[in-house]
Amino acid sequence: EAGVTQFPSHSVIEKGQTVTLRCDPISGHDNLYWYRRVMGKEIKFLLHFVKESKQDESGMPNNRFLAERTGGTYSTLKVQPAELEDSGVYFCASSQVGVLIPFFGQGTRLTVV
Amino acid sequence: GNSVTQMEGPVTLSEEAFLTINCTYTATGYPSLFWYVQYPGEGLQLLLKATKADDKGSNKGFEATYRKETTSFHLEKGSVQVSDSAVYFCALTQFPGNTGKLIFGQGTTLQVKP
Repeated sequence: EAGVTQFPSHSVIEKGQTVTLRCDPISGHDNLYWYRRVMGKEIKFLLHFVKESKQDESGMPNNRFLAERTGGTYSTLKVQPAELEDSGVYFCASSQVGVLIPFFGQGTRLTVV
Repeated sequence: GNSVTQMEGPVTLSEEAFLTINCTYTATGYPSLFWYVQYPGEGLQLLLKATKADDKGSNKGFEATYRKETTSFHLEKGSVQVSDSAVYFCALTQFPGNTGKLIFGQGTTLQVKP
């Protein structure tokens, strides 16, 4: 069974550009989470989908970040326009409903220069 | 609000040394506690967990005991190997109201030298 897959593994963009990160959860997992680790600090929660609905987006830093999960399958996280402080590792995780220990992807390292 | 504090790293040990990574938490209710590990080039993996006071989680020679009186969940291993070199994260999920949302500490980098 495939795990949580994230694309790309690494992205380097210039300040002001747009980047879209993608997460493919484990098949059948309705819960999908996005997290971010910035500059060696703690991993911070960004948001939580249940199927295609945003259950909790309390961790989204500002309106430059837009997360979608159309059809309740894969999810995208778009940063537009990117700023230097957006650099970090973005993790995606998924779990089945009722099983609240998620599986994580390998992360996308975003570098904004 | 809920939070997790880990000892700062990096921690550098020789092979076969004893490891302790401290983790304390602040939470209302009865959280579940976790240790996650990220090996170089890989994603986060669940290492062990404990869901109630005095529970001991264990895996791959690592152990941690849920201490409610000291609000701690320290990670220990009796004899580390080079292959244990990784970043270790302590985390919790809230209870009641658990949605699977994890609150992490800042991570502790462990380097084990031969």
